[in-house]
Amino acid sequence: KNQVEQSPQSLIILEGKNCTLQCNYTVSPFSNLRWYKQDTGRGPVSLTIMTFSENTKSNGRYTATLDADTKQSSLHITASQLSDSASYICVVSVYDNNAGNMLTFGGGTRLMVKP
Amino acid sequence: DGGITQSPKYLFRKEGQNVTLSCEQNLNHDAMYWYRQDPGQGLRLIYYSQIVNDFQKGDIAEGYSVSREKKESFPLTVTSAQKNPTAFYLCASSTYQGAGELFFGEGSRLTVL
Repeated sequence: KNQVEQSPQSLIILEGKNCTLQCNYTVSPFSNLRWYKQDTGRGPVSLTIMTFSENTKSNGRYTATLDADTKQSSLHITASQLSDSASYICVVSVYDNNAGNMLTFGGGTRLMVKP
Repeated sequence: DGGITQSPKYLFRKEGQNVTLSCEQNLNHDAMYWYRQDPGQGLRLIYYSQIVNDFQKGDIAEGYSVSREKKESFPLTVTSAQKNPTAFYLCASSTYQGAGELFFGEGSRLTVL
């Protein structure tokens, strides 16, 4: 069964500090891995998409890494800001010949940044 | 601006009533999706559509119905057969077969009284 596990479930950090969120997956065949940011009560917004051959991808203060051998990804947030308070969702894509890219969502990590 | 519009943002329903959630996109995307989000759980796929007049059941389709009469529109009906409909519903779209970026709407929160 395709699964995506994220850790920790929740995290509190002080403004200006760095943090790293983890994502482990058991998805096959792997197509790509995505990280989304979801503010409370809003729709998710894409941060990065990484294919099998990509190890690292950055989007401003967000840097995602991917180790396809160990099936692990991480999202590193640098110099956190209050606006980073949100849920971060890891999504792994499997390609199906009939259905196209089918996504498996992790449960998310809820990050709170305090002043 | 291009994007996905969901309405209503909040909806209250009495038990036994059907309700329809609207989803419209002007991104010219072929594929559209409906997801359900419950607290602490990952998004679960209800229905998806790759082209007009065609749609497929997702993992939790029971108690829901959809239509795709126009490329821009993919409404979701939550029927009285859905046992636990209170949830946050998200509509999304992407290029054909989800090959590209997945864009989400702002969501609709349904509460059954």
